[in-house]
Amino acid sequence: DAMVIQNPRYQVTQFGKPVTLSCSQTLNHNVMYWYQQKSSQAPKLLFHYYDKDFNNEADTPDNFQSRRPNTSFCFLDIRSPGLGDTAMYLCATSRDRGDNEKLFFGSGTQLSVL
Amino acid sequence: RKEVEQDPGPFNVPEGATVAFNCTYSNSASQSFFWYRQDCRKEPKLLMSVYSSGNEDGRFTAQLNRASQYISLLIRDSKLSDSATYLCVVRSSASKIIFGSGTRLSIRP
Repeated sequence: DAMVIQNPRYQVTQFGKPVTLSCSQTLNHNVMYWYQQKSSQAPKLLFHYYDKDFNNEADTPDNFQSRRPNTSFCFLDIRSPGLGDTAMYLCATSRDRGDNEKLFFGSGTQLSVL
Repeated sequence: RKEVEQDPGPFNVPEGATVAFNCTYSNSASQSFFWYRQDCRKEPKLLMSVYSSGNEDGRFTAQLNRASQYISLLIRDSKLSDSATYLCVVRSSASKIIFGSGTRLSIRP
């Protein structure tokens, strides 16, 4: 059974049209992450929530926002998508932020901005 | 210099061969290390953690060399199903988890 679920699997949007990607988890993990992965590149951390605390990476554009209304759900909002935002968006969770905590990934949302 | 660097490959080896990848990291304070496997257009999946003493899981062996700041992954008796991209992951602090760009491996019959 999938433990980290992302919807939709594929999303196509127009340049400048806001889009929201969703992630839910059944693991009851404290930490939820959003990564952006462009073709043939490493996943790049955008931000993460530790419980309700939001932690933004310094180089994440303001265009990207996130919400975590409860433990199970986390959303990625892209306010005005540009062509360069075409990528796979990966949600991940970890039980906590300790040294050996592993990441559990959802299957990703492939976003195409036209 | 990137914080985590991997040889992008591709490594193209025959079935049954032994293949090894290295990954170097720049932050000497890094605490934990992992290898993830990613198939084309799929999410990364944990292959194994890397411990200071080295660890083995079936055909896979991971090593950590803190002095030289690299980790390695050895795959013995490679199978066609081992074809994938292998991502090196380094946790340098509670909130900082860095992925390498991955090494592509292709196993040929």
